[in-house]
Amino acid sequence: QSVLTQPPSVSAAPEQKVTISCSGSSSNIGNGYISWYQHLPGTAPKLLIYENTKRPSGIPDRFSGSKSGTSATLDITGLQTGDAADYYCQTWDTSLDAIVFGGGTTLTVL
Amino acid sequence: QVQLQESGPGLLKPSQTLSLTCTVSGDSISSRGYYWNWIRQHPEKGLEWIGYIFYGGNTYYNPSLKSRITISVDTSKNQFYLKLTSATAADTAIYYCTRVPWYSGNPSDYWGRGTLVTVSS
Repeated sequence: QSVLTQPPSVSAAPEQKVTISCSGSSSNIGNGYISWYQHLPGTAPKLLIYENTKRPSGIPDRFSGSKSGTSATLDITGLQTGDAADYYCQTWDTSLDAIVFGGGTTLTVL
Repeated sequence: QVQLQESGPGLLKPSQTLSLTCTVSGDSISSRGYYWNWIRQHPEKGLEWIGYIFYGGNTYYNPSLKSRITISVDTSKNQFYLKLTSATAADTAIYYCTRVPWYSGNPSDYWGRGTLVTVSS
């Protein structure tokens, strides 16, 4: 069971917006910074968001992150069929003294 | 273009030692701007952090695996390594090596494509 909680799946139509949530506690999200990854099985995961809201070079602004208290969200606007993938959140947990992940959310673009 | 490539045996028997190599290209593993990570993904999809190593050789391990793992680096080959002893079926996973810049939250900005390791008799 993952330390961070994500919905197993979300879906939306092309051009729509989807929000993926990541819930934790004061020992992880509440006192840390969140990263988000996109993963297509068989490929290298891709960093989408780091330090809660920042995008690496080359990541379109359709992807945005936010954090409030012990939860974080990844928003994807203007959905494209190519966005269909698994999405993971990650942070550091001070109680476990370890990097921790969410269980992953599968995005289906209908 | 930074690339990481995992390599090693894909199958081992219970109690054997898992040994993997990560070869880095497009960047120097001695770069002080980054450190180097191992992460694995179990068949049921969950990601688990294993540990990381700094260019100077200092390491930081997941406490849940600490007794069984060793991460090391060879800067002359631009490679770093993972050894995990006393393997069991629970160690069956896709193993990834990653690069971690000095950002808060330890994000991995580059990942290898992963290598599947199966532990089975």
